[in-house]
Amino acid sequence: SSELTQDPAVSVALGQTVRITCQGDSLRSYYASWYQQKAGQAPVLVMYAKNSRPSGIPDRFSGSTSGNTASLTITGAQAEDEADYYCDSRDSSGKHGGVFGGGTKLTVL
Amino acid sequence: QLQLQESGPGLVRPSETLSLTCTVFSGSISSRTYYWGWIRQPPGKGLEWIGSIHHSGNIYYNPSLKSRLTISVDTSNNQFSLKLSSVTAADTAVYYCAREVSTITYGVFDIWGQGTMVTVSS
Repeated sequence: SSELTQDPAVSVALGQTVRITCQGDSLRSYYASWYQQKAGQAPVLVMYAKNSRPSGIPDRFSGSTSGNTASLTITGAQAEDEADYYCDSRDSSGKHGGVFGGGTKLTVL
Repeated sequence: QLQLQESGPGLVRPSETLSLTCTVFSGSISSRTYYWGWIRQPPGKGLEWIGSIHHSGNIYYNPSLKSRLTISVDTSNNQFSLKLSSVTAADTAVYYCAREVSTITYGVFDIWGQGTMVTVSS
């Protein structure tokens, strides 16, 4: 299967911890990548591989995988973390190019 | 640091061909490490991978778009391009170009252009 499933919306109280999940068969073979997209802006990579953060991404962001589920965890969510989050993996065939999840809208209360 | 910039018409007529170019700045498109990809996002919707190309000419297309799609690379101008034929209103979207890193365990679009809105309308 080449589909990735995300919850449409998640909310978290300011300073609390939130986990955003992504499910799909391809995640048994390939790590997910995670992108943050704020309104009117291009996506920004925040997590990739087993648990790697690009330069400039705060360490409150972390990633993990278990079975067919990848998770992006934000520990101590900040107001600026409110955004859409998309997961991405490879198709089960391993071809280049992305298979994106439908996105999760994170609201910080 | 490397930057990408999309360019092309913002309005395309139905049944015509959508053409976009992505220029790579402060880096070489001929690096053998990277692929170069196109992703689009219809208004209010999620991301869809369109296709990816390597400077060597290896190309991968989204199967759902393959019959209408051509992606090419121009190493002399450090650019890669997208042509999508027979467009309809469903092709209205923000189109992004991005650098792709692909390994045996993951793939990632690590640097994105700012995106360009393309509207299909008569």
